[in-house]
Amino acid sequence: GESVGLHLPTLSVQEGDNSIINCAYSNSASDYFIWYKQESGKGPQFIIDIRSNMDKRQGQRVTVLLNKTVKHLSLQIAATQPGDSAVYFCAERFPGNTPLVFGKGTRLSVIA
Amino acid sequence: NAGVTQTPKFQVLKTGQSMTLQCAQDMNHNSMYWYRQDPGMGLRLIYYSASEGTTDKGEVPNGYNVSRLNKREFSLRLESAAPSQTSVYFCASSEASGGATQYFGPGTRLTVL
Repeated sequence: GESVGLHLPTLSVQEGDNSIINCAYSNSASDYFIWYKQESGKGPQFIIDIRSNMDKRQGQRVTVLLNKTVKHLSLQIAATQPGDSAVYFCAERFPGNTPLVFGKGTRLSVIA
Repeated sequence: NAGVTQTPKFQVLKTGQSMTLQCAQDMNHNSMYWYRQDPGMGLRLIYYSASEGTTDKGEVPNGYNVSRLNKREFSLRLESAAPSQTSVYFCASSEASGGATQYFGPGTRLTVL
């Protein structure tokens, strides 16, 4: 999602449904990507990562898909639970010895 | 393992006051980072330290200084606080620099009046 001014894009999902959170990354030469979850009042937590030589990686209830052609990353959460409510950030690694670059985030709201 | 710890958790300052935010990690990581996060915004890098003894500016370094005290500790100093520095500050560490996975502390919520 793209940030609009001070407001994060929000995705509202019914409990039990699957969630798909999208991220457009900026550098076609980036070779490593991470998804972070940030719950209210806490620091970001690592969820899952993927290298550019892969197009899919699965974790527990989460899957990350990478489409290098259109510079697009997505995070799929299966059977979304109330505890999944948080802001989700993607991050990319540019070439060279520089820190990760973070996207602006998407807020996931789970409706019980 | 406590991971990354930050002190204080909350702080209120008056314009012009100074303060130091403390960060420590117990994961034997080489690299450490300071970010600020404003409402509805992503993380903006203030300064980072790729290894003990080195520091580099990030995206928004103005008004801040840092010290990499040793491998474990990385502090952020505001010499003369301004209302524009009201934010939540996060410290992070990673095993190496160059885009390695970062692990974050719980944050310091700073208000400058």
